[in-house]
Amino acid sequence: GEDVEQSLFLSVREGDSSVINCTYTDSSSTYLYWYKQEPGAGLQLLTYIFSNMDMKQDQRLTVLLNKKDKHLSLRIADTQTGDSAIYFCAENPTYSGAGSYQLTFGKGTKLSVIP
Amino acid sequence: GAGVSQTPSNKVTEKGKYVELRCDPISGHTALYWYRQSLGQGPEFLIYFQGTGAADDSGLPNDRFFAVRPEGSVSTLKIQRTERGDSAVYLCASSPGQGGTGELFFGEGSRLTVL
Repeated sequence: GEDVEQSLFLSVREGDSSVINCTYTDSSSTYLYWYKQEPGAGLQLLTYIFSNMDMKQDQRLTVLLNKKDKHLSLRIADTQTGDSAIYFCAENPTYSGAGSYQLTFGKGTKLSVIP
Repeated sequence: GAGVSQTPSNKVTEKGKYVELRCDPISGHTALYWYRQSLGQGPEFLIYFQGTGAADDSGLPNDRFFAVRPEGSVSTLKIQRTERGDSAVYLCASSPGQGGTGELFFGEGSRLTVL
């Protein structure tokens, strides 16, 4: 089965908040990540959260982590049409501190922003 | 260059042919990763290099897939006797290696189509 699960689609109106949810399986993951993929482009790190944190805010982005439920969410405030993309949640179950970052990605959530 | 560079960006080949995909990581990055992204899926780990050696090749699907990084910089992913199921976008990423937050810097990918 999937190690990292996300809903596949989300549609919001411009100016509203978007919330993308993710569940992961490996409680040993030291970091959890959100990557963004725009059409025809590579993945770009959007934000990350260290596993001993439960919230991280970065401008319009808020990441919430519930370790007990292994649930991660990404909230985008004041969503803009330029935020339309696929958002991937990723965990790092094999992090060793020595530079091994074998990330496990979800299938991605396609965010569509309606003008 | 400033980012991870992958060539070719698109490759169309016939079933049974041999294919090479090249990745030029960010200068100074010691860690290099290959991922495969099939349509509608998240990236799946293939292989990870630390320097010249393959530190983890557990994601390679079978012995038709092989990757090298002879001088610790550029890497080549080699696929023998290609099959239609190999069609995907092959993503390369690099990272500084030791320490950090685990951010992987991705290239735009090489889209492989096997007819």
